[in-house]
Amino acid sequence: GNSVTQMEGPVTLSEEAFLTINCTYTATGYPSLFWYVQYPGEGLQLLLKATKADDKGSNKGFEATYRKETTSFHLEKGSVQVSDSAVYFCALNDYKLSFGAGTTVTVRA
Amino acid sequence: DTAVSQTPKYLVTQMGNDKSIKCEQNLGHDTMYWYKQDSKKFLKIMFSYNNKELIINETVPNRFSPKSPDKAHLNLHINSLELGDSAVYFCASSLGTVNTEAFFGQGTRLTVV
Repeated sequence: GNSVTQMEGPVTLSEEAFLTINCTYTATGYPSLFWYVQYPGEGLQLLLKATKADDKGSNKGFEATYRKETTSFHLEKGSVQVSDSAVYFCALNDYKLSFGAGTTVTVRA
Repeated sequence: DTAVSQTPKYLVTQMGNDKSIKCEQNLGHDTMYWYKQDSKKFLKIMFSYNNKELIINETVPNRFSPKSPDKAHLNLHINSLELGDSAVYFCASSLGTVNTEAFFGQGTRLTVV
């Protein structure tokens, strides 16, 4: 079946550091890909999405590119802030929205 | 206006009790979901409804029964609660079932003692 694998955390960074969270997927078709963010005590919010190969999703300084050849959708941000501390989930949807295990990111001032 | 709202936000109950969690969405979506998030933050889909019809039913104990009275509501009833049911339960909705993003509620933290 379809699945998502993302790098395990936790990840701890200093403010203004570069963040990358790896995500790879397995799918039989051409799913849409998503990154969701969960801040402490809250529900999941859509961070960005891409619906086809080579699409780049971006939001709040985060970016991810849909790479069909490597079946990847890595999340990147050039300069993180303390407010970016959260759990990040990679997800795919062809007929069912499936999530990776989540990566906890902590940014220290 | 809250897009996907679920109640209660917190629920503490004893083993063996029966409880319900309610969910409502005002986005006009036709698909709704229940997800369970465990203590390690892992999210697992439990059920999905499209236009009030059950379309996804993962391997969930039959003590869990979803009910969708209309497209805007999806409630979750749990019988004979067990310690292992303690988790955060999220309701979500989406427009359609294929290649669409879902919008999530704030979650219900269920603690079974």
